[in-house]
Amino acid sequence: EVVLTQSPATLSLSPGERATLSCRASQSVSSFLAWYQQKPGQAPRLLIYDASNRATGIPARFRGSGSGTDFTLTISSLEPEDFAVYYCQQRGNWPPFTFGPGTRVDIK
Amino acid sequence: EEQLVESGGDLVQPGGSLRLSCAASGFIFNKYWMSWVRQAPGKGLEWVANIKQDGSEKYYAVSVEGRFTISRDNARSSLFLQMNSLRLDDTAVYFCAKAVEAGLPEFRGQGSLVTVSS
Repeated sequence: EVVLTQSPATLSLSPGERATLSCRASQSVSSFLAWYQQKPGQAPRLLIYDASNRATGIPARFRGSGSGTDFTLTISSLEPEDFAVYYCQQRGNWPPFTFGPGTRVDIK
Repeated sequence: EEQLVESGGDLVQPGGSLRLSCAASGFIFNKYWMSWVRQAPGKGLEWVANIKQDGSEKYYAVSVEGRFTISRDNARSSLFLQMNSLRLDDTAVYFCAKAVEAGLPEFRGQGSLVTVSS
């Protein structure tokens, strides 16, 4: 099973700042890595798939990068609606499809 | 507009059974893999099961294999999850998801809460 590790667990930033979230896989998942955003009481929303492709309707301030075992989600300038929990998820080696434990982006 | 409406969640005793349903609309249901993903209270996301477009392939998380069964009815654009031998750690919100690719879920519903408690 591929284990995903996300860091940091919590990121405290102010609106307008840049957020850099990391996801590391225990073995290579090629580029089959996705990022989801989840707000309290809501279902997760797909942001990025295949490491660097933005899903439909996702603003350009969200950028994904990486391949193999190391991936990054960058939010170039945080908007108030971006404060949420972010999960990475892999489908490079399945089953099972696995999610990381999440990074919470809090308002500083 | 694409929609997934989950139903069937309830309070059930350990060892009991429950069947979740998911009604899909706004997209061609039989063109997509479908998934169930769950989230225990205050915890992260856990993939539960996947089913191929025609139902010929099904995959399960180790934690539910042998107890849960995923199925679909393409004529009714519906997805199901039969859950047997429920345990306390099965307590979660269960999300139905449309899989853009086999392992790439897109969530379109609010989930259904399953509580296993005596």
